[in-house]
Amino acid sequence: AQKITQTQPGMFVQEKEAVTLDCTYDTSDQSYGLFWYKQPSSGEMIFLIYQGSYDEQNATEGRYSLNFQKARKSANLVISASQLGDSAMYFCAMRAQMNTGFQKLVFGTGTRLLVSP
Amino acid sequence: GAGVSQSPRYKVTKRGQDVALRCDPISGHVSLYWYRQALGQGPEFLTYFNYEAQQDKSGLPNDRFSAERPEGSISTLTIQRTEQRDSAMYRCASSSDGMGRFSGNTIYFGEGSWLTVV
Repeated sequence: AQKITQTQPGMFVQEKEAVTLDCTYDTSDQSYGLFWYKQPSSGEMIFLIYQGSYDEQNATEGRYSLNFQKARKSANLVISASQLGDSAMYFCAMRAQMNTGFQKLVFGTGTRLLVSP
Repeated sequence: GAGVSQSPRYKVTKRGQDVALRCDPISGHVSLYWYRQALGQGPEFLTYFNYEAQQDKSGLPNDRFSAERPEGSISTLTIQRTEQRDSAMYRCASSSDGMGRFSGNTIYFGEGSWLTVV
């Protein structure tokens, strides 16, 4: 079964510094996708970045980049130049194949990031 | 609509009552998912619709939970005889991909419905 592990319940970073949020995954699928979502205190689920298992380059979206290490089965999120507004819960998720042939997202338990001035 | 819309945003109900949570996906989106998220946890899959067909309901906790999407657009998640353990945020997500095949950033989540059972 597919599984996402986020081992950091909480992370602290100072404004303008970079921070890495860890994510490891377990799957036997050859083709899969990895996602990161941000959940601020308002409760929204905001898509940040996506990495396909066959993508040769690490995904980047503005200040967000995904450090994809396939052999280690890790997909860490790197936020450069942290801002106060980055304080939120961050979820790593993986596209998983259901027995029905359809797909769903499997989420990790999340990492709460606090950015201090 | 512009985004996935869920209602009500907040619902407080007494134990034993039935509740219905509504999801209006992005117009034209084929795939619709329901997830449940407890405080401090990641979302957990409940059920999936491809158009009006409920293709997977393996995540529904028990037979008090049901969902429908009769016309392939708006969906309703119903919880009968609510219990305190049902308290959580219930999220709906939709995708333009058919057959539930995700790709890239085509998955959009609604703001969720907070359910509190007292």
